[in-house]
Amino acid sequence: QKEVEQNSGPLSVPEGAIASLNCTYSDRGSQSFFWYRQYSGKSPELIMSIYSNGDKEDGRFTAQLNKASQYVSLLIRDSQPSDSATYLCAVGNSGNTPLVFGKGTRLSVIA
Amino acid sequence: SAVISQKPSRDICQRGTSLTIQCQVDSQVTMMFWYRQQPGQSLTLIATANQGSEATYESGFVIDKFPISRPNLTFSTLTVSNMSPEDSSIYLCSVEEGNEQYFGPGTRLTVT
Repeated sequence: QKEVEQNSGPLSVPEGAIASLNCTYSDRGSQSFFWYRQYSGKSPELIMSIYSNGDKEDGRFTAQLNKASQYVSLLIRDSQPSDSATYLCAVGNSGNTPLVFGKGTRLSVIA
Repeated sequence: SAVISQKPSRDICQRGTSLTIQCQVDSQVTMMFWYRQQPGQSLTLIATANQGSEATYESGFVIDKFPISRPNLTFSTLTVSNMSPEDSSIYLCSVEEGNEQYFGPGTRLTVT
């Protein structure tokens, strides 16, 4: 059974701080890793994808992948109240295969 | 990214009835995925739909309960049959484009 584990939170950070979200996965053969943001009542929105070890930066977001430790993280710099949402970690294999999702971490950015 | 629409966006249905959810994509895609998100929970894969073949169901989901059609490369339907209150969920279709998966807006189903 492939599993993706996340701390459910809530994670509360002050506005302007760095929010750090973590995820571990069980399938060592996983090849693709994603972070989705889900606002209450909305569908998940893809914000980051990462496929190789190291860091990937996109604006205020940085995804980090360590395949040896089976660990993925998402850093959000200069957190804004609009970043308050549930963040879902998802893991997949090769193309056109379904993703396995974690339960999500609820982030609250306090103004 | 692909533009995905779903109909209906929400519905309230009575126990024992069936509801068919439609998913339309603005480009041709090989695979479409159907997920369920129960209240306060994460996403659970129901089945994978490939055009021209029968859908592949995950453990705990069966074709009699969740029949799926995939008549062409831009459209799929999921039917929730003989509904019970436990079927109250958000149902999401998803497609892959460029190795990334995108979701439709979802169908919020309440069964009374």
